[in-house]
Amino acid sequence: GENVEQHPSTLSVQEGDSAVIKCTYSDSASNYFPWYKQELGKGPQLIIDIRSNVGEKKDQRIAVTLNKTAKHFSLHITETQPEDSAVYFCAAANAGGTSYGKLTFGQGTILTVHP
Amino acid sequence: GAVVSQHPSRVICKSGTSVKIECRSLDFQATTMFWYRQFPKQSLMLMATSNEGSKATYEQGVEKDKFLINHASLTLSTLTVTSAHPEDSSFYICSARIAGGRADTQYFGPGTRLTVL
Repeated sequence: GENVEQHPSTLSVQEGDSAVIKCTYSDSASNYFPWYKQELGKGPQLIIDIRSNVGEKKDQRIAVTLNKTAKHFSLHITETQPEDSAVYFCAAANAGGTSYGKLTFGQGTILTVHP
Repeated sequence: GAVVSQHPSRVICKSGTSVKIECRSLDFQATTMFWYRQFPKQSLMLMATSNEGSKATYEQGVEKDKFLINHASLTLSTLTVTSAHPEDSSFYICSARIAGGRADTQYFGPGTRLTVL
């Protein structure tokens, strides 16, 4: 099955700096890579996703890059703000086949943005 | 759009009792819903995949007789934790996929905190 590794486990930055979180996956059949933000006591919120037919996607201060050859993808947050502080999870899925698009999650990164 | 709700948001029960958690898609129909469990400071672990009108598919190591899943309609799936024990205490999260939508995008509920005394 799929295995997703996420680094770093914790990340501390100053407000205004950039933050980068990296994930690697093992299954070359995976073709969907979402990123989720989870605040304490809440469910995950989809913040951006990328599919295997593109290498980069951007939405305001958030961007995701995908390197299919190396099987890794990264989340980039620019101009960080204190409200960006949360746990971020990457995930991978194969939307086709018999897996019903099951998501395999990374271990999570605790991002802290200091004012 | 694409809002998923869960009820209750938190529940405390005595050991040996059963607890039912509801997952509803509020503004869309969901042929597939997923149930996850998340222990403190850990990632989400998929427990089972629930398809409307058919039996749920459980992940390896998840006891289907202990975690009963029913997906009776296109907007509701329920998870019943039977004979709950303290080790079942966890954060249970459901997600739903839009019927006829992309096969990959899942929308998550707010989670249910279960505490078994």
